[in-house]
Amino acid sequence: AQKITQTQPGMFVQEKEAVTLDCTYDTSDQSYGLFWYKQPSSGEMIFLIYQGSYDEQNATEGRYSLNFQKARKSANLVISASQLGDSAMYFCAMIPQGGGTSYGKLTFGQGTILTVHP
Amino acid sequence: SAVISQKPSRDICQRGTSLTIQCQVDSQVTMMFWYRQQPGQSLTLIATANQGSEATYESGFVIDKFPISRPNLTFSTLTVSNMSPEDSSIYLCSVEWTDYGYTFGSGTRLTVV
Repeated sequence: AQKITQTQPGMFVQEKEAVTLDCTYDTSDQSYGLFWYKQPSSGEMIFLIYQGSYDEQNATEGRYSLNFQKARKSANLVISASQLGDSAMYFCAMIPQGGGTSYGKLTFGQGTILTVHP
Repeated sequence: SAVISQKPSRDICQRGTSLTIQCQVDSQVTMMFWYRQQPGQSLTLIATANQGSEATYESGFVIDKFPISRPNLTFSTLTVSNMSPEDSSIYLCSVEWTDYGYTFGSGTRLTVV
């Protein structure tokens, strides 16, 4: 079974500053994927970034980067140069990639509400 | 990436009634997933829907309450049956569009009164 823990219910950041959202995970799978999604108040889920368990380099997508520390089982999201439009709920999620009955099933953390102040 | 059209976007329903949510994908996909997000909570997987077979439900979810149809590789419906206020949630469908990408529909915000 997989478990995702996001220990920050809410975070605040000043516009144009960087912010780190924490995510730790637990799994017995050797091959897995880690995701971050953004959920604005409208309710849609927006894909931000992906990290594979065997990827040697940390993933980056524009202003988003994933600080992947496999030994610590952490996959923190770093948002650089925060914008007002970044205010939203952020979910960390993981998925096993070794096949089996859990294939395709995302497990989500509890989420972190990010508020960007002008 | 795959684009999913989900309808309705929101609805207010009377208790005891049923609501059917539709998801249309712009490309053929093998597996579709249905999630529930209760107020202030995270997403929980309801079931996995494969074309041509019965949906597979997660623990705590049953077919009588959440019947799912998957008539072809681009379409699926989820019905929330005999609704109660506890069913008030956001319901989302999802598909895998690459090995590392899962796209979601825009969600259905359901309020049961």
